[in-house]
Amino acid sequence: GENVEQHPSTLSVQEGDSAVIKCTYSDSASNYFPWYKQELGKRPQLIIDIRSNVGEKKDQRIAVTLNKTAKHFSLHITETQPEDSAVYFCAASAGNQFYFGTGTSLTVIP
Amino acid sequence: DSGVTQTPKHLITATGQRVTLRCSPRSGDLSVYWYQQSLDQGLQFLIQYYNGEERAKGNILERFSAQQFPDLHSELNLSSLELGDSALYFCASSPGTGGLGEQYFGPGTRLTVT
Repeated sequence: GENVEQHPSTLSVQEGDSAVIKCTYSDSASNYFPWYKQELGKRPQLIIDIRSNVGEKKDQRIAVTLNKTAKHFSLHITETQPEDSAVYFCAASAGNQFYFGTGTSLTVIP
Repeated sequence: DSGVTQTPKHLITATGQRVTLRCSPRSGDLSVYWYQQSLDQGLQFLIQYYNGEERAKGNILERFSAQQFPDLHSELNLSSLELGDSALYFCASSPGTGGLGEQYFGPGTRLTVT
């Protein structure tokens, strides 16, 4: 089955700096890669996603890149703000199953 | 508010017992997914139902079972509970069969097994 690895597990950045979270996957059949943000005590919410036929996608301060050859994808957050502090999960989907990474706890220091 | 509801919000029970968690998807969504979130294991996909039929199975234990009813709500049954089953259980829904597109998560049910 699919195996998704996510790094780092914790990340602290100064407000205004950029944050990068990286994930790798093992199943070349995976074709959809969403990123979820989970604030403390709340439900995961989709922040951005990318399909395997696209190499990069951007939405304001958030961008995701995908390298199918290397089987890795990354989340980039620019101009970080304190409200970006949360746990971020990457996921890979092949068919109907979703496999999540173990999460990255991002802290943005004001 | 995602439109997905889960009950109960909290559940405390003893080892060996059986519990049922309930999920109502967003209006119009046909797929329901169940996830287990433990502190040390992140989000684990358990099972997916689409329009009443099982579509995908993840790391779901044999002691766990689920079903989706004609009105599209779903129940996750956990039996012979162990301490390690203590976790936050999320359900999520999506319009289609899954694989592509956003899943909308419910608020979760926190299960504590004592």
